[in-house]
Amino acid sequence: DVKVTQSSRYLVKRTGEKVFLECVQDMDHENMFWYRQDPGLGLRLIYFSYDVKMKEKGDIPEGYSVSREKKERFSLILESASTNQTSMYLCASSGTSGSWNPKGRNTGELFFGEGSRLTVL
Amino acid sequence: AQKVTQAQTEISVVEKEDVTLDCVYETRDTTYYLFWYKQPPSGELVFLIRRNSFDEQNEISGRYSWNFQKSTSSFNFTITASQVVDSAVYFCALRRPNSGYALNFGKGTSLLVTP
Repeated sequence: DVKVTQSSRYLVKRTGEKVFLECVQDMDHENMFWYRQDPGLGLRLIYFSYDVKMKEKGDIPEGYSVSREKKERFSLILESASTNQTSMYLCASSGTSGSWNPKGRNTGELFFGEGSRLTVL
Repeated sequence: AQKVTQAQTEISVVEKEDVTLDCVYETRDTTYYLFWYKQPPSGELVFLIRRNSFDEQNEISGRYSWNFQKSTSSFNFTITASQVVDSAVYFCALRRPNSGYALNFGKGTSLLVTP
C-alpha cells in the first residue's frame, strides 16, 4: 500500500513561532500537496509540487511556504504562526496516471497522510 | 471556474437503510475527472472511486454505487444497506487542470449510521 507519513499528529505552538510540518511518501510520486481542513470549509489547497524544487501556489498560500528538496519529502512551513492557522493539515501525493511506481501502476488519485492537527495559542 | 457542491452537510440514518450522498459539479472542461473520498474518524482520507467525463457508465462496488450524469452535472454516491462502519465524512472532488493532479473538494457530507 501507499504510505504517506506526516511527522506529527498533534502540535501546539505559540503565536509567532516557526512551524515545520513534514511529509514523506514511499511511492516515488512526482506530485505532492498540502491542504488544510477546517469545519464548514472542507479541504483547501495551500501549495503543491510536481517535481523536486518545484512549487506552485494553491488557493490559500498566504502565511505559508513549502520546500521540496527530495522527491519523497514535502515540507510545509509557517514562518510566523498565527491563531488563524490553527487547523488540520493534510499532505497527499500522487503519481502521473499511467506511469509506474515501485508497487504498481499509478492511476492518478491522491493518497493522503493521517493529518497533523496544529493548535496555535 | 471549477466548483464542487455537496448540499447535504449531515445525514443520519439507521443501520440497513440505503442512503444517497449528492454531488454537483461545475467545470468548463470537456475532459475532467471526478472522485469520492471517505474520511473516517481516524482522519485519513481514503480513495473510493475515480470517474472520467467520457465514461458515463455507473459503477457498483459491493454496497457502494455511483451514478454519474453529465446532463445534470451530478456524481451521486449511494450506500446500500448501510452499516455503522460507514459512518464518516464523504468528499466529492474534481481534478483541477494544470495542477499536478490536485483536487478541488466539496465541503463534505457527514454520515452517521446508528444501530
